[in-house]
Amino acid sequence: EVQLVESGGGLVQPGRSMKLSCAASGFTFNNYDMAWVCQAPKKGLEWVATISYDGSSTYYRDSVKGRFTISRDNAKSTLYLQMDSLRSEDTATYYCARQDNNYDYFDYWGQGVMVTVSS
Amino acid sequence: DTVLTQSPALAVSPGERVSISCRASEGVNSYMHWYQQKPGQQPKLLIYKASNLASGVPARFSGSGSGTDFTLTIDPVEADDTATYFCQQSWNDPYTFGAGTKLELK
Repeated sequence: EVQLVESGGGLVQPGRSMKLSCAASGFTFNNYDMAWVCQAPKKGLEWVATISYDGSSTYYRDSVKGRFTISRDNAKSTLYLQMDSLRSEDTATYYCARQDNNYDYFDYWGQGVMVTVSS
Repeated sequence: DTVLTQSPALAVSPGERVSISCRASEGVNSYMHWYQQKPGQQPKLLIYKASNLASGVPARFSGSGSGTDFTLTIDPVEADDTATYFCQQSWNDPYTFGAGTKLELK
């Protein structure tokens, strides 16, 4: 059974940093691209970043470029999102998702972790 | 960015057929996917590449369309289908989602 378990969320002040983790199991982690998708309270979904199966390529939405860094440790089957210079508009639930390598849909999602950016 | 437009809400009775639309501001080929999200839960993939049923999803769900106009159909609707349904395109950069259609049962 595919499982994705996020951790690391919480309350953080504007301008500070936070690192999210996503532990994967139930599939061969290093065969899949992985992504982070966020959802602001009572809002829709927004793709944040994607990393290729081997970590060689990363992609970001414009609003997080230069502030967020997606990475992975295939030996540990773990995905990360380093979030720096956080803003109030980054407040959201962050989901880790497995991304289909060919058509880029998200076939499995974690339960999500809440990040609140507030002073 | 490619804007995906969905109607905000629908209400149907159990046993009926419902169609949820998603219109893209520019062509997305067949790279349109559908998700179901129940309150307090993560999204779940229903349909990928416009018309392909995801693993474990009941055959009551189906998808159609190409280019800019897509439809998710549920037939027949069951009480458990109460949820918000999102479309997502992966043809244009960045990937974008629709705002969601909230399906309520009468």
